Amino acid sequence: EVQLVESGGGLVQPGRSLKLSCAASGFTFSNYYMAWVRQAPKKGLEWVATISTSGSRTYYPDSVKGRFTISRDNAKSSLYLQMNSLKSEDTATYYCARVAGLGGYFDYWGQGVMVTVSS
Amino acid sequence: NVMMTQSPTSLAVSAGEMVSLSCKSSENLYSSTYKENYLAWYQKKSGQSPKLLIFYASHRASGVPDRFIGSGSGTDFTLTIRSMQAEDTADYYCARHYSSLWTFGGGTKLELK
Repeated sequence: EVQLVESGGGLVQPGRSLKLSCAASGFTFSNYYMAWVRQAPKKGLEWVATISTSGSRTYYPDSVKGRFTISRDNAKSSLYLQMNSLKSEDTATYYCARVAGLGGYFDYWGQGVMVTVSS
Repeated sequence: NVMMTQSPTSLAVSAGEMVSLSCKSSENLYSSTYKENYLAWYQKKSGQSPKLLIFYASHRASGVPDRFIGSGSGTDFTLTIRSMQAEDTADYYCARHYSSLWTFGGGTKLELK
């Protein structure tokens, strides 16, 4: 059974950093692109980052480019999101997701972890 | 930037009614190479993680009831629920997945009348 379990969320002040983790199991982690998607309170879903199987290629929307860094450790079947220079608008539930298919749709999602950016 | 526009933003229907949700892309999502549209539909229930319903515009994900039907090509797509059930109350999102960029639509909130 595919499982994705996020951790590392919490309350952080604006301008500070936070690192999220996602532990994957039930599939060959190194064979899949992985991604982070977030949902701010009362807002829609927003794609945050994607990483290739080896980690050599990463992709971000303009809203987080230069502040967030996605990475992975295939030996540990783990995905990470380093978030720097956090802003109040980064407050959201962050989901780890497996990317499948050509181009990539998100076929499995974690339970999500809440990040609150506030002073 | 590719825009994904969903309509309506919300609606309420009675149990057993057919529901049609629209998603329009500002860019053609059809790949002539792979002969697929790079469009997915997700269901997001309150307090739960998003769930994949449809990929490549019309392929149902594993375990998804056959009352959920995805259709469309190019820039215009539709998610149809043949007979609304109480458990279908949720937010529905379309999303473009192509060329290493992903864009979600704004979502449609579907409720039971």
